[in-house]
Amino acid sequence: GEEVAQTPKHLVRGEGQKAKLYCAPIKGHSYVFWYQQVLKNEFKFLISFQNENVFDETGMPKERFSAKCLPNSPCSLEIQATKLEDSAVYFCASSPSGYGYTFGSGTRLTVV
Amino acid sequence: AQTVTQSQPEMSVQEAETVTLSCTYDTSESNYYLFWYKQPPSRQMILVIRQEAYKQQNATENRFSVNFQKAAKSFSLKISDSQLGDTAMYFCAFIDGSGNTGKLIFGQGTTLQVKP
Repeated sequence: GEEVAQTPKHLVRGEGQKAKLYCAPIKGHSYVFWYQQVLKNEFKFLISFQNENVFDETGMPKERFSAKCLPNSPCSLEIQATKLEDSAVYFCASSPSGYGYTFGSGTRLTVV
Repeated sequence: AQTVTQSQPEMSVQEAETVTLSCTYDTSESNYYLFWYKQPPSRQMILVIRQEAYKQQNATENRFSVNFQKAAKSFSLKISDSQLGDTAMYFCAFIDGSGNTGKLIFGQGTTLQVKP
């Protein structure tokens, strides 16, 4: 389809629990990006993929965050041992070229 | 470091009037792309307009147009005939076009309120 599908739309986790977010990019788009939008509306780049390969992971807090894009599966972003500060909206975006994005509708993660 | 600055946290405009949102950026690259995104309360990110740095002509999309001043590193968005549906947060964003990862660098956002 022509949309980036993110699931779930909302996710609530207790502090210390694991959270896993999913993103199905547009078919034919070889680039996938993850961004975190915190309550102050600031966007933080997390990680990008070219097909199943990590392209840029300079924004990832590596201790607790991990991400994958495997063939024939939605991409995933996993947060181990969530903290209150992880509460945010997580956006996935895909692109055919790296220069034109389509964003998903986001997953709102609330850590309580 | 490449940065994008939106100096107007909030703006308001009367319906049917024109408003301009400001954006400046800092880069040493000559090849790059600039974007304006609209984020309504639904949080969906909607591309409003895109400008390639190598193009001198300002991009236009219906009621939305930009004033791209490359030397001044300025990229303002003009919304003509403002409509209530234009109420949203607007983000200016930059991509370095020199073969990097395509990572978007966002400004802080400007909240636009269109008043009836």
